[in-house]
Amino acid sequence: GESVGLHLPTLSVQEGDNSIINCAYSNSASDYFIWYKQESGKGPQFIIDIRSNMDKRQGQRVTVLLNKTVKHLSLQIAATQPGDSAVYFCAENRGSASKIIFGSGTRLSIRP
Amino acid sequence: DAGITQSPRHKVTETGTPVTLRCHQTENHRYMYWYRQDPGHGLRLIHYSYGVKDTDKGEVSDGYSVSRSKTEDFLLTLESATSSQTSVYFCAIMEPSGNTIYFGEGSWLTVV
Repeated sequence: GESVGLHLPTLSVQEGDNSIINCAYSNSASDYFIWYKQESGKGPQFIIDIRSNMDKRQGQRVTVLLNKTVKHLSLQIAATQPGDSAVYFCAENRGSASKIIFGSGTRLSIRP
Repeated sequence: DAGITQSPRHKVTETGTPVTLRCHQTENHRYMYWYRQDPGHGLRLIHYSYGVKDTDKGEVSDGYSVSRSKTEDFLLTLESATSSQTSVYFCAIMEPSGNTIYFGEGSWLTVV
């Protein structure tokens, strides 16, 4: 099942290092994947997305990798900064307006 | 900025009272959503709308109703609030490609 808040897995990273956040998805028919960042007290914020016919997409300081063979998605954040502290979660779009499934999330904390 | 405004942002209400949350968008998008976010459950879809007066239920629709009389406004109503409806409520819109949804900043509702 899903879990957020106190039960979230946590990734602790040294400031300046790269962060890798992982997500497993369940439906091989999903055709679009999205990463969100959610800071405390705020709504989820779109970071980057990737279509299922791609295996890599890069944005500003972020890269998403998609491995369809093992149904795995990862978000890489380069040179992690204090402002990157947040909960990150993935979502898969199963091709229907009502079929966007959200992952459980990972809390990223930054060590100075 | 996805042009989504939620109101009220914070509300405390008593059990048994009606509550209406409003979501307003400025982008004229067709699809709008209401989610709730709770520890242990993540984001769950309550209702969504695919046009004026066109709405459908999500996975946790019991105790909630919605209305969409104008493209820009999507209202969520709790007819008789219960303590189990204490939550953070997020409105979202789907961008025209149908791939990605964007969230508002949330409405914190406490039912006492």
